[in-house]
Amino acid sequence: DVKVTQSSRYLVKRTGEKVFLECVQDMDHENMFWYRQDPGLGLRLIYFSYDVKMKEKGDIPEGYSVSREKKERFSLILESASTNQTSMYLCASSPIEQGGGTDTQYFGPGTRLTVL
Amino acid sequence: GNSVTQMEGPVTLSEEAFLTINCTYTATGYPSLFWYVQYPGEGLQLLLKATKADDKGSNKGFEATYRKETTSFHLEKGSVQVSDSAVYFCALMDTGTASKLTFGTGTRLQVTL
Repeated sequence: DVKVTQSSRYLVKRTGEKVFLECVQDMDHENMFWYRQDPGLGLRLIYFSYDVKMKEKGDIPEGYSVSREKKERFSLILESASTNQTSMYLCASSPIEQGGGTDTQYFGPGTRLTVL
Repeated sequence: GNSVTQMEGPVTLSEEAFLTINCTYTATGYPSLFWYVQYPGEGLQLLLKATKADDKGSNKGFEATYRKETTSFHLEKGSVQVSDSAVYFCALMDTGTASKLTFGTGTRLQVTL
């Protein structure tokens, strides 16, 4: 079974703190993604990565950065946390399938971050 | 741009009732369509998918047919169970978007005895 793990299920931080959210996948997938999930808004893509040291902005990258130094690990960084970044953060990974456009994404359990 | 519209929830049904959750989409290319499910306290899991027009995806008694003429991918199940209570997300992956998913807002389903 594909497994995507996230470092914490629940996290509470103070405004202005630097926050690291870690994601690890064990299936040698090329693609990795970070989303945030908010009620009434569904999932919104923050950043994604197709390969080591490669990253691309998603739909809502402001206030976030990412790091992918190893293929299996994709980190989301909040440089200076703010209360409007209180949310559920979901990591996902997917292989590159032949034919494109059909890749199944596999999700981690999520990290519920509260910024006070 | 791409977008996915789902019916507002929550949807509350009695066990063994018929389920329909509507999903329509807008895409610039020829998308693949997905339904993901999120059980309480968990991440999302792929429920089913369809990659081209008229394809039917199915899994665990759920079905959805890719209707290009109506740009829809409605989720159906003939007889729901309490264990189907979850949030259901419709999503699309457009050609040329390099594996990026666009999600709907999700529909919460509550099944009661």
